[in-house]
Amino acid sequence: DAKTTQPTSMDCAEGRAANLPCNHSTISGNEYVYWYRQIHSQGPQYIIHGLKNNETNEMASLIITEDRKSSTLILPHATLRDTAVYYCIVRHYSGGGADGLTFGKGTHLIIQP
Amino acid sequence: DGGITQSPKYLFRKEGQNVTLSCEQNLNHDAMYWYRQDPGQGLRLIYYSQIVNDFQKGDIAEGYSVSREKKESFPLTVTSAQKNPTAFYLCASTLFASGNSYNEQFFGPGTRLTVL
Repeated sequence: DAKTTQPTSMDCAEGRAANLPCNHSTISGNEYVYWYRQIHSQGPQYIIHGLKNNETNEMASLIITEDRKSSTLILPHATLRDTAVYYCIVRHYSGGGADGLTFGKGTHLIIQP
Repeated sequence: DGGITQSPKYLFRKEGQNVTLSCEQNLNHDAMYWYRQDPGQGLRLIYYSQIVNDFQKGDIAEGYSVSREKKESFPLTVTSAQKNPTAFYLCASTLFASGNSYNEQFFGPGTRLTVL
């Protein structure tokens, strides 16, 4: 699976959009970008994933560059409850063979009141 | 109320003792996983199981053992051979994906193991 690089920490004001970058310059054609987040001392929670098109769901938007070497997770209106560690994961889509995920250190997003 | 349960939330053991961490899910998920997390670090995969009575080693399986006798249960034993067992242990499960869909991993609340 391709390696990802994320900033160690970021601050964002409550109510503003939080933009979390992820670099994955060695991504291959069949690898997807996944985002999970982990609130302190809890299990991680899935947010969104994508291959090459931009994706949006009720939690966030995922913008993937045309060359797929980087992506940005956008939380449109951050709240204090969005304070968490955000993990960007790149891996092949395993279909029915559901093997495990590889989590790096992620980005600690702190939402300021 | 469906979900993944892990018990206990906090566990203390003396060095040299084996300890078993419980993980149960009532989501009818096919695959189950165990991860370990150390302070300030990401999660590392210990073992995973895609079907009953079968499991595979993850990245850091040494010093751990698992069983999968029932679909809903995937206990993890931390043996005395594990050199640094103090950590936060997370269990997860997922439904096998069909077609082009992706089924996310659902995580339990975790067990914090401290070996004294």
